[in-house]
This record gives sequence, structure tokens and C-alpha cells, in this order.
Amino acid sequence: QKEVEQDPGPLSVPEGAIVSLNCTYSNSAFQYFMWYRQYSRKGPELLMYTYSSGNKEDGRFTAQVDKSSKYISLFIRDSQPSDSATYLCAMNSIQGAQKLVFGQGTRLTINP
Amino acid sequence: DSGVTQTPKHLITATGQRVTLRCSPRSGDLSVYWYQQSLDQGLQFLIQYYNGEERAKGNILERFSAQQFPDLHSELNLSSLELGDSALYFCASSEGLAGVSNTGELFFGEGSRLTVL
Repeated sequence: QKEVEQDPGPLSVPEGAIVSLNCTYSNSAFQYFMWYRQYSRKGPELLMYTYSSGNKEDGRFTAQVDKSSKYISLFIRDSQPSDSATYLCAMNSIQGAQKLVFGQGTRLTINP
Repeated sequence: DSGVTQTPKHLITATGQRVTLRCSPRSGDLSVYWYQQSLDQGLQFLIQYYNGEERAKGNILERFSAQQFPDLHSELNLSSLELGDSALYFCASSEGLAGVSNTGELFFGEGSRLTVL
């Protein structure tokens, strides 16, 4: 079983829709949770960062962490065609800070 | 542009061969990481160097090795290549020793796509 599970999709939604992306994990030592966005033929770039449980909002993006359920989410409001990309969750622990563990990534397409 | 430079962008080679991938980190970053991205396994951590020293190791095969030079650029050497080694290899950098800074940000290059025939 993988430490981090993420549905690879693909996920296709119309422009303006609310998108929900999710990951589950098994390692209770994980405390730092991130979402990276990867456009085609590019490297991943950090989108959101959250420490421990709770919510964090940045513009149209909201990240949620529920450590009791070992479940993290990324919500995208008013989705735009420019949001079309692969979204990867990532996480690590204090002890294993160097080793970011990534989900497989969800491929998202926003249709105009 | 993340500031991380990787060469070559594409590489096609045959089984049994050896290749070297090169990475120049962002200016001022002392940590370099190597990741492998394949369709079935996703993004997998291989190895990290900080200021020339190996700091953390993931599931890196014995056929693979890496090093970081005094000018902080890094090379990933892949030998006795197999078909299954075909993947995107990413280099990332960060400023800190602990690897991932408080913002959790690694800066990734655009990757080197390796195809083994």
C-alpha cells in the first residue's frame, strides 16, 4: 500500500465549477501538507502549504487537512481553463523532512 | 522559470547503457534533490544532497548514483539501464539544510525525459 493515495483521474469539469481534489495517507507522522501544480512538460510548483490540521485559503484555492481522518483536500472555486494541470499532494514529517512523499497526481481539465 | 536548470531535456538510449543527468540549482540554494516521475509510480524521491554531502536517500537503485560538486551543481548517473528506467527525472532545490523550508517549497526544474529502448 502506498503511503499517499491520490485518484489519478482524469477529471474534467466546466469552467466556473468548484473542483475538489483529495488525498489520503497512512503515515500518522506526516505534519506538513502541500499541493503542487504541474503543467504539461513542466516541473511541479508549490501551490499551497499547510501545517497540521485546519484550513488555508489563498484566492480561489482552499486547502483542508483532517489529520484524524488522514485526509487532505484542495478546493478550487470559479475554476478557469488556466487551472488545467496535474495537481499533486505532497507531505512529510519532521523526522523525514527531506523526503517529500507525493501522491500520484490528479489530471484536471477545465473546459471553457 | 524556477531558476533550476536541467540538461539534457530529452535523452534516448539503449538498454545496458549509462547516462548522466545534470542539474544547476537556484542561485543560493544549497540543497539538491532528485526525483523520478513515471506514469505508474508517480513522483518518487531518490536522493538529496546538501552542500556537497548526501543527506537523505529514498528508493534509489544501486545502479544509480549522484553527487553534488563544490559549485553546487549535481549529477545523477544511471547505469546498466533497463526499459523500466524510462521516466522523467526531476531535480529540485531548496535553500535550507532541513530540506523543505517552513513553506514546504521545493523549486523544480523542467526535468530530463529518459527513454530506454
